Amino acid sequence: AQKITQTQPGMFVQEKEAVTLDCTYDTSDPSYGLFWYKQPSSGEMIFLIYQGSYDQQNATEGRYSLNFQKARKSANLVISASQLGDSAMYFCAMRDRTLYSGGGADGLTFGKGTHLIIQP
Amino acid sequence: NAGVTQTPKFRVLKTGQSMTLLCAQDMNHEYMYWYRQDPGMGLRLIHYSVGEGTTAKGEVPDGYNVSRLKKQNFLLGLESAAPSQTSVYFCASSKTLRETQYFGPGTRLLVL
Repeated sequence: AQKITQTQPGMFVQEKEAVTLDCTYDTSDPSYGLFWYKQPSSGEMIFLIYQGSYDQQNATEGRYSLNFQKARKSANLVISASQLGDSAMYFCAMRDRTLYSGGGADGLTFGKGTHLIIQP
Repeated sequence: NAGVTQTPKFRVLKTGQSMTLLCAQDMNHEYMYWYRQDPGMGLRLIHYSVGEGTTAKGEVPDGYNVSRLKKQNFLLGLESAAPSQTSVYFCASSKTLRETQYFGPGTRLLVL
């Protein structure tokens, strides 16, 4: 079963519009973390925003915010006022401790990503 | 402050050859990770380390070995490369379990 699901393989958005990138997750660990990373065409992985499972408020970082709906197991990334430089792959990832046999694995599980293209 | 660096940036191997990828971080992080990224697959965890002298298996460990002899370095070894190991390899590090992982620039490996 998919731990992280990103249902939008690709999106085209007009510059200056707001963008919502979907992410749903599955875990039985009550203590988990959710991350969003940006990967531009140059290939590096850039951290955008983090949400902990016990955080009471939705995370925000500049133009990025995370719409965290715990009961629905949803952690959508919202980019306000999109810019041409936002064109990239976006990955949702989760850290929990039930990933592998024996537990205790501390890596991230990634979704397959959404390719966002901002059009002028 | 270099953050996380990876050596080499690109490498071509023939099937059966061996090689070692080096990851170095200057942030004094305890945790280090190796991931691979294949088209349409996102990143998958190969091995990780929770401190100097420790290593553990991730989601896709077969065909790889790792070592963490120094806190700042995490080595990924391929003893006998296979075409299925053609991928982009990313190293990452984090201060604690709960904190953000910071990634290196990646190593592109092509196995012929």
